[in-house]
Formats: sequence, C-alpha cells, structure tokens
Amino acid sequence: AQKVTQAQTEISVVEKEDVTLDCVYETRDTTYYLFWYKQPPSGELVFLIRRNSFDEQNEISGRYSWNFQKSTSSFNFTITASQVVDSAVYFCALTFYGGATNKLIFGTGTLLAVQP
Amino acid sequence: DTGVSQDPRHKITKRGQNVTFRCDPISEHNRLYWYRQTLGQGPEFLTYFQNEAQLEKSRLLSDRFSAERPKGSFSTLEIQRTEQGDSAMYLCASRGAGASYGQYFGPGTRLTVT
Repeated sequence: AQKVTQAQTEISVVEKEDVTLDCVYETRDTTYYLFWYKQPPSGELVFLIRRNSFDEQNEISGRYSWNFQKSTSSFNFTITASQVVDSAVYFCALTFYGGATNKLIFGTGTLLAVQP
Repeated sequence: DTGVSQDPRHKITKRGQNVTFRCDPISEHNRLYWYRQTLGQGPEFLTYFQNEAQLEKSRLLSDRFSAERPKGSFSTLEIQRTEQGDSAMYLCASRGAGASYGQYFGPGTRLTVT
C-alpha cells in the first residue's frame, strides 16, 4: 500500500527564518513520483515540484529546496528566509509511475504560518 | 486564463437535493481527475478519466455519485440525495499524457450540505 505521512500538523515561524517541512512515504513500488503542492487560503492547490524515484539529486528553486533520500523514504522541503506570503498548507504526494491512473496519494498537510 | 476551472466555486444545498459540479481542464490535457478534500485532510482520489473513458473509481464514490466526461473535454460530477457527510471541497485536476507530468488543480467547489 502507498502512504504519505506529514507528521508536522502546524509550524509557526517568524519572517526570515528558515523552515523545513517533513514528508515520509511508504511504497512497495520501485518507480514512483513524489510531489509538493501549496494550498494558500484561497484553496487552489499549486504545483511546486515533481521528483522521480530514480533521481536523488537535491533541487533548489529560489528560496525553495528539496531533499530526497530513498534510504529514509523522505522528501523534505525547505523554505529559506520565509516570507508572510509563504503562509499556506503544504502537501506532499506520491504516485506510482507505471499505473494506469497515476492518482495522487496525499499526506494530511502541514500548515505553515509565517508571522511578520 | 488557461488553467483548470471549476463551477460553481461554492454551493450550499439542503440534505436530499441533487447537485452537479463542472470542471474544465487545461485544453491539451486528456487526463482528468476528481478529488475530495475534507477539513484538515489531504485530497482523496474519487475518479479518473482518460479522454471520455472513466477508467477508475474509488470506493469513496458511492452509488449516489456519478461523473461524466462526454466529449473528452469538460467533466461533471453529480451527487444525488446529498447527505451532510458530503460537505467537502471537490477538486478537479488535469494532466497531459505521460506519467512524468504533474497534475494541475482547479480552485475547487466547496459544497455545504445543511
């Protein structure tokens, strides 16, 4: 069975602090994709990143960076120098690469509150 | 705007009424998904279309739920005889061919059953 766990329910930081959101996944599949989505108060899920199981290189995009470690089944997300606009719920998700559907399995999300 | 659109954005209905939601995917995307999200939870998969064919339905999709994508473009999700437990955000997503593509979500329809 596939499962995504985001143990941090809520995180509160002060602007300009760095923050890391944890994601741990379970799957028996050898080929899969991992995703991060942002859900601001408006409700729309915004796609942030996709990572396939063959590529363990870390990725950086501006203030965002992602650390993928297959050995610990983790795909953590770090925001550097957080800003108030980063306040949102962040979801980690998993999908099986070879499936016909490629439906996403989501974690329960982490609510990030960035205080000014 | 070339993103995924959903209509209506909000729907309040009385228990027992039927409701229908519409999703217009990104035009070149032939894959379409419906998810349901309840408060404090991540989205949960409901059903999947490839072109006009409905290829998978979740066990969450009871007999009161039906989804269609008649011409492989827009999709509708109908809930018959709504119950209070149906109150949730209903999200539509689309993606292009190839598993490497991410799913792009619409703004959702928030359903409240009173």
